[in-house]
This record gives sequence, C-alpha cells and structure tokens, in this order.
Amino acid sequence: NAGVTQTPKFQVLKTGQSMTLQCAQDMNHNSMYWYRQDPGMGLRLIYYSASEGTTDKGEVPNGYNVSRLNKREFSLRLESAAPSQTSVYFCASSLGRGNSGNTIYFGEGSWLTVV
Amino acid sequence: DAKTTQPPSMDCAEGRAANLPCNHSTISGNEYVYWYRQIHSQGPQYIIHGLKNNETNEMASLIITEDRKSSTLILPHATLRDTAVYYCPSLNAGGTSYGKLTFGQGTILTVHP
Repeated sequence: NAGVTQTPKFQVLKTGQSMTLQCAQDMNHNSMYWYRQDPGMGLRLIYYSASEGTTDKGEVPNGYNVSRLNKREFSLRLESAAPSQTSVYFCASSLGRGNSGNTIYFGEGSWLTVV
Repeated sequence: DAKTTQPPSMDCAEGRAANLPCNHSTISGNEYVYWYRQIHSQGPQYIIHGLKNNETNEMASLIITEDRKSSTLILPHATLRDTAVYYCPSLNAGGTSYGKLTFGQGTILTVHP
C-alpha cells in the first residue's frame, strides 16, 4: 500500500521555468491537499480539493495552480517559478472533508529549488 | 482557526515516558486536536487525534483537558527513533476551510540513551 506518492522527489528549476508536481493516492480518499514547508514557517496550505472536480485556495496560493485530474491524482503547477518558491512540498489526502475527524495522510515530500 | 502553542524543545531518556504538552486555548467546539511528528524532513506522520475524550492507540495516548484548552501527547516508552519534531495542529471543521490543518512550530523531542 503506497499511500500518497509524490513525484519528483527533487527538482532544480531556473527562475521563470514552469513545472508540475504530481501526486497520487491509492486510499480511495475524496480530499487532497498541497502544503509547503519552509524553515521556521511550519506547514502552510497552498490549495486543496475537497472532492473530485473541486479545488479551493488555501493560505498561500499565489504563484500556483492545481488540477484534480481524477479521484486519485492532484497536481500542483508552478507557471513561472520564483526563488521564493524554493521549498519542500507535501501532498496529502483524507477520506472525507476532514471536519469529522478524518485523518490526513502526507506524502514524503518534493524538494524544489529555484535558482 | 485555533492557534496552538508548544514548547520549542524537550528531552527524554530512552525507555521513559515522554509527555509533550500543547496549548490550544482558542480551540472551538468542532475542532479536533491532532498530533503528527516529522523525522528528518520526511512527510508528517499521523500519531493520534481526539475531540473531547482521551484516546489511545498503538503509538501513543492523548489526554485532553476537560475545558479542551490543552492536551498532552504521551509516548509511554520513548525510543531513540522517537526523536522528531512533534506538532499538534488543530483541524478546522466546517465552513470553507474544512480539512485545513494549522501547524505551529512544533516541539523538537530528543530522546537520549
């Protein structure tokens, strides 16, 4: 059981380049999330998808777009990467909306460096 | 969203119980308290969660005060592998932010021999 799988694990981008982080879960979860983690900042929610076909902004959505491709997959796109987007990105998923105590499970992270 | 506060660091001897406190004085009635840990920048690992009652699973116990303003995570027999950063995020329930975990800075727990 793989849980939440993210690709790539490491990526170096030049400023202005674009890229997409892929995320897939095999737990038949309805909700999926993208977080970023920066030193001293904790984890911050970028976007989330409560269910297939819906997406909503989180705390720090600027500079990102997301696509809920199907129930399993939720991708995060950087259209024009900036050094401020250097971070560790975590995808996560939960069975329901999370507001009934459903546990949120995280992937192993994607390390992105923008130079 | 409730803001949680934790001590920045704690030490524990191997084999002893580790008691990690979390203050969530502004928590609302429908917000759950969750505990996660993160080892070496891996993805956060779920430990336990609760709403009002104390909870126990194979990893830990969670004690929530009656007024729900604070909680304590108990690792009954800490091992060196329990050295990690421990977070007690609250979970916003309902509204337009459901499913959003609000993480604070966490507690660095160091288990020493």
